[in-house]
Amino acid sequence: AQSVTQPDIHITVSEGASLELRCNYSYGATPYLFWYVQSPGQGLQLLLKYFSGDTLVQGIKGFEAEFKRSQSSFNLRKPSVHWSDAAEYFCAAYNTGNQFYFGTGTSLTVIP
Amino acid sequence: GAVVSQHPSWVICKSGTSVKIECRSLDFQATTMFWYRQFPKQSLMLMATSNEGSKATYEQGVEKDKFLINHASLTLSTLTVTSAHPEDSSFYICSARDQVLVLGKEQFFGPGTRLTVL
Repeated sequence: AQSVTQPDIHITVSEGASLELRCNYSYGATPYLFWYVQSPGQGLQLLLKYFSGDTLVQGIKGFEAEFKRSQSSFNLRKPSVHWSDAAEYFCAAYNTGNQFYFGTGTSLTVIP
Repeated sequence: GAVVSQHPSWVICKSGTSVKIECRSLDFQATTMFWYRQFPKQSLMLMATSNEGSKATYEQGVEKDKFLINHASLTLSTLTVTSAHPEDSSFYICSARDQVLVLGKEQFFGPGTRLTVL
């Protein structure tokens, strides 16, 4: 079955530390890949997306993600986390069958 | 650009009543809109796909008679929760797709509607 997996349910990092959130997908072909962030009680905000081309994608708020076909991964990274980055992060994928799949989400806590 | 709004942002209703939630694409035409449900600390669950001018396609396990979806125009889709019960309390999020944008693959999400049924 086609799916998006976020192995880490919850991650805690110190402010200023680097961050990597993992995302894996299971599709035969390269899907369209997205990362969203959701603050408590809010909707989803798009951080970045990958459709094709350069496998390192730059997004908003200093985030970037790298598509690695060999690992079927699209991990989100940020070199220095701010307290305001504490939120829920969702990886999502759109496959060739026009199905949009969300991962289960990773909750990020930032320690001062 | 590509802004999606939802109204109301939160609603409290009595058990047995119906509640309508609106989803609007403010600056683009959305031939397809999606309705999601999100329980606390969980991911988004797709409820249905709504195409302008046609019947919505519901995901397995979603009661179409309970969750009525109407997509009468290119900028408006509505979700009506009929005869609401406490178990329908949830966060409902809509999204819209602009066919004109790159590959038409990106979904733009509304801010969500918090429904509480007493």
